[in-house]
Order: sequence, then structure tokens, then C-alpha cells
Amino acid sequence: QKEVEQNSGPLSVPEGAIASLNCTYSDRGSQSFFWYRQYSGKSPELIMFIYSNGDKEDGRFTAQLNKASQYVSLLIRDSQPSDSATYLCAVNMDYGGATNKLIFGTGTLLAVQP
Amino acid sequence: DGGITQSPKYLFRKEGQNVTLSCEQNLNHDAMYWYRQDPGQGLRLIYYSQIVNDFQKGDIAEGYSVSREKKESFPLTVTSAQKNPTAFYLCASSISSGRIVDNEQFFGPGTRLTVL
Repeated sequence: QKEVEQNSGPLSVPEGAIASLNCTYSDRGSQSFFWYRQYSGKSPELIMFIYSNGDKEDGRFTAQLNKASQYVSLLIRDSQPSDSATYLCAVNMDYGGATNKLIFGTGTLLAVQP
Repeated sequence: DGGITQSPKYLFRKEGQNVTLSCEQNLNHDAMYWYRQDPGQGLRLIYYSQIVNDFQKGDIAEGYSVSREKKESFPLTVTSAQKNPTAFYLCASSISSGRIVDNEQFFGPGTRLTVL
């Protein structure tokens, strides 16, 4: 069974702090990794994707990938109350490239306290 | 505006009825997907289609059916065989180039189905 695992949280951080969200995956051959933000009652919104080992930065967001450890993380700097949402990690485990099927984790609920 | 639309936003169904959820995209994406989300759970893949007139079952296809007669449209029918259909249904689309840089999926606003 191919799996993506996340801590369900809630992860509570004070406003202005760094929030660190983590995700592990089971298939060592996975090639591309995505972070989605989902506000309550809304659909997921893509924040970042990464497919090379190392860090990828976009504004206040940094995605980190370590394929050897099968671990991907999302850092949110200067956290704001508007960042409070569920963050979904998704992994493309079809390394044959035949499909764009994603396997989603159950998400981590982030609460940024004013 | 390019995007994905789903209708209706809310849908109520009596037990034993079939209902069809609409999904339309004008992004010129080849691939389309249907997911189901239950409270506290991640997204589970119901069906996906990479090209017109072709589709494949996902992880939880039982009790559902789809069609892909046009590139822009991928309707989902929830049949009476689906034992627990109350959920949030999400449609997504993506480019289907085979390149990993094109793997990202974009979601519609969702349809919340409630069985009465």
C-alpha cells in the first residue's frame, strides 16, 4: 500500500513564528511532491511543488525534500492568522510517468495564534 | 477566466436515487480526476481520465460512474449502489505531458453531497 503520512495536528504557533509541517512517504521511487492549503469548507489550493532534493523557496514558504529519508516538509516563515488552514501533502508515486496520479496525506491542521 | 467549475455547490439526495455532479474546465488540460473527501480524512481518488473517451478506476470506484465525451467535461454519477455517499466531492485537472514538472493538479470548488 503506497502511503503518505502527516501528523494531523493541530499545530499551534504564535503569529510571526515559523511553522514547520512534515510529511513522509512510502515509495522510494516517488518523483514529485506537492503542498496544498485547504481552508475549512473550501477546495485545496496548490502552494508549492518540489521534485529535486534540497530547498525551494517562494515568498514566505520553503519546501524541503530529502529523498534518501523519504521526507518532505513545508516551512512557513512569519506565520499569519490567515495561514490557519489544513495543509495537505501529495506525492506522485507513478515514477513510470504514465499518469499524474497523486496520493494525498490526511493533512495537518495549522492554527496561528494572534 | 480559466478555471474549473463544479455544480451544484450543494446537493441533497434521497436514498436510492442516482445523482450526477458536473465538472467543467477551460484550461485545456488533458487529465481530469474525481476525489472524495470525508471529515478528517485526506482525498481519495474515485476515477481519473487522461484522455477523451478513456478513464480508469481509482481507489474507491465502487458505486460511482463517469464519462469523458469531451475534453472539457468529466461528470461523476453517484449511484444508489454507493452505500455512504455523503461527502465533499472534488474535481481536479492537470496537464498530461508525462513530464514531472506538469504533475500538479488544480481543483474546482467542490460539491457537497448529503444523503437524506
